[in-house]
Amino acid sequence: SAVISQKPSRDICQRGTSLTIQCQVDSQVTMMFWYRQQPGQSLTLIATANQGSEATYESGFVIDKFPISRPNLTFSTLTVSNMSPEDSSIYLCSVGGQGAYNEQFFGPGTRLTVL
Amino acid sequence: KQEVTQIPAALSVPEGENLVLNCSFTDSAIYNLQWFRQDPGKGLTSLLLIQSSQREQTSGRLNASLDKSSGRSTLYIAASQPGDSATYLCAVPKAAGNKLTFGGGTRVLVKP
Repeated sequence: SAVISQKPSRDICQRGTSLTIQCQVDSQVTMMFWYRQQPGQSLTLIATANQGSEATYESGFVIDKFPISRPNLTFSTLTVSNMSPEDSSIYLCSVGGQGAYNEQFFGPGTRLTVL
Repeated sequence: KQEVTQIPAALSVPEGENLVLNCSFTDSAIYNLQWFRQDPGKGLTSLLLIQSSQREQTSGRLNASLDKSSGRSTLYIAASQPGDSATYLCAVPKAAGNKLTFGGGTRVLVKP
């Protein structure tokens, strides 16, 4: 199974600032995703991070607010821009289609609090 | 559009009792179904993946069943322990390795 790390693990930020979250995978993967989990809620997909091209965003999420980079097959970043308290969430990256059964694995998450 | 529902939203049982967690989905055209565990404030740990062609998958005290035609999966946890206390989520992708649609989760508390 893929081993995924995220930095930072948690942060407390002031409104109006931006935070970039890094996701590193220990092997090359085709599919990488970014999810958001608001307090007490389930996970919602933000976007699919595409290597070498622009990310594909889900309805309700836009590139200006959540720019994503995917410079290679093992690394991606998600930036949360111009933050407000409503952005306080756990942000998780995941990789898809691993192993014989196409299992998906998740990073440990980044816990963001916006004051 | 796929919708995934988990009932109940929360469950409290005494230690030793068996746990039964339910997951239902509206579109039966799924590639597989995964069950995850999430501890408070943490990421997701994959517990079991059941392929669309399978009816059952087992790992230790965990057993997951899948009935595609009725759009249901059930996760059984035998002889529950306090360490099983967590939120359990089910999720389905449209295609292999593709983005997941999650249920709302079932928060489980196992009392010593």
